[in-house]
Amino acid sequence: AQKITQTQPGMFVQEKEAVTLDCTYDTSDPSYGLFWYKQPSSGEMIFLIYQGSYDQQNATEGRYSLNFQKARKSANLVISASQLGDSAMYFCAMREGLRAAGSYQLTFGKGTKLSVIP
Amino acid sequence: DTGVSQDPRHKITKRGQNVTFRCDPISEHNRLYWYRQTLGQGPEFLTYFQNEAQLEKSRLLSDRFSAERPKGSFSTLEIQRTEQGDSAMYLCASSNPPADDSQHFGDGTRLSIL
Repeated sequence: AQKITQTQPGMFVQEKEAVTLDCTYDTSDPSYGLFWYKQPSSGEMIFLIYQGSYDQQNATEGRYSLNFQKARKSANLVISASQLGDSAMYFCAMREGLRAAGSYQLTFGKGTKLSVIP
Repeated sequence: DTGVSQDPRHKITKRGQNVTFRCDPISEHNRLYWYRQTLGQGPEFLTYFQNEAQLEKSRLLSDRFSAERPKGSFSTLEIQRTEQGDSAMYLCASSNPPADDSQHFGDGTRLSIL
């Protein structure tokens, strides 16, 4: 089974509108972390936001927020007030295990290509 | 800005040749990771280092691949006898857990095998 599932290969959003990118995950580990990265066409992976499995509040970073629904095992990324520069691939990733142990390796989904329309 | 630096950005080589990539992590980061990303996929974990010790390797890392991190600073990833299937983007990341869980990535090295 896929550990990270991103069901939207591509999404379009009008500039200045909000958009939600879906991510569901699968783990039996009670301790895990969820990450979102942005990858522009130039190739670099840019860290956006992090949510720990024990965090009570949904994470927010500027225009990015993470809609964390633990029971549903979903960690959707919400981008508010979309800008043309938001056009990129977006990857959801998970780190399983305790923060003080383990390799911290990330398991990535296949990504969602977001296109912002002027 | 002293982010993660990778060299070269692009490498084109003939099948059967050896290639070596370099990664310079963020200076205070003790963990260094290598990932491989093929077209249309997310990155896949290859290996990681805690300081100079290589502590985990993925099954993706065949015996043609070797990685080192002498003195716990920069790292090199070598691929011997390259094959067509090795064509991919090779990404390096560093982190400093548990204080900072996020992995900071370099721009990657894009390898093309002719």
